[in-house]
Amino acid sequence: AQSVTQLGSHVSVSEGALVLLRCNYSSSVPPYLFWYVQYPNQGLQLLLKYTTGATLVKGINGFEAEFKKSETSFHLTKPSAHMSDAAEYFCAVSTFSGTYKYIFGTGTRLKVLA
Amino acid sequence: NAGVTQTPKFRILKIGQSMTLQCTQDMNHNYMYWYRQDPGMGLKLIYYSVGAGITDKGEVPNGYNVSRSTTEDFPLRLELAAPSQTSVYFCASSGQGGVETQYFGPGTRLLVL
Repeated sequence: AQSVTQLGSHVSVSEGALVLLRCNYSSSVPPYLFWYVQYPNQGLQLLLKYTTGATLVKGINGFEAEFKKSETSFHLTKPSAHMSDAAEYFCAVSTFSGTYKYIFGTGTRLKVLA
Repeated sequence: NAGVTQTPKFRILKIGQSMTLQCTQDMNHNYMYWYRQDPGMGLKLIYYSVGAGITDKGEVPNGYNVSRSTTEDFPLRLELAAPSQTSVYFCASSGQGGVETQYFGPGTRLLVL
């Protein structure tokens, strides 16, 4: 069965520090992987996605994620946090194998400390 | 290009009342979805549609109904509102294939008292 796990429902980092948000998935077929961001009182918007090809994916606002098949992971990173990065981040996995499946993780709320 | 629009933004319902949440997309997407978001629970899929006239249940369909008469519109109907339906509702759409990026509306905040 397909699933997504985000470790840590809340993460705090200092401004300028590394951001690392963790996402692990399980899937019996090759997945498409996504990170979405949700700012307060808004809908989700795409940060980046992995479909095929290069396993290191760059997204908007300086974020990137690496698909590691052996570890079934798709962790999100940013070298230097900015106050404007404070938001909730969702990992998602999508597959098609006869039927369609698109599942979101439960989210990680990122707090950036001045 | 407005993307995905939702109305209303906020609504208070009394227990037992009915209402329809409206969702429209102008990207000619085949796939459309309704989610509810509760604190700490992430997004739960209520219903989805793979094209006009075709809908299917998601993870939490009880208490809701949908229809898809056109490509653009995907309204969500609550027939007998209950306090458990207090939530934020998001509509989303995606292109052919369904596995692609989902584009979200701004959400409808619903309070059932």
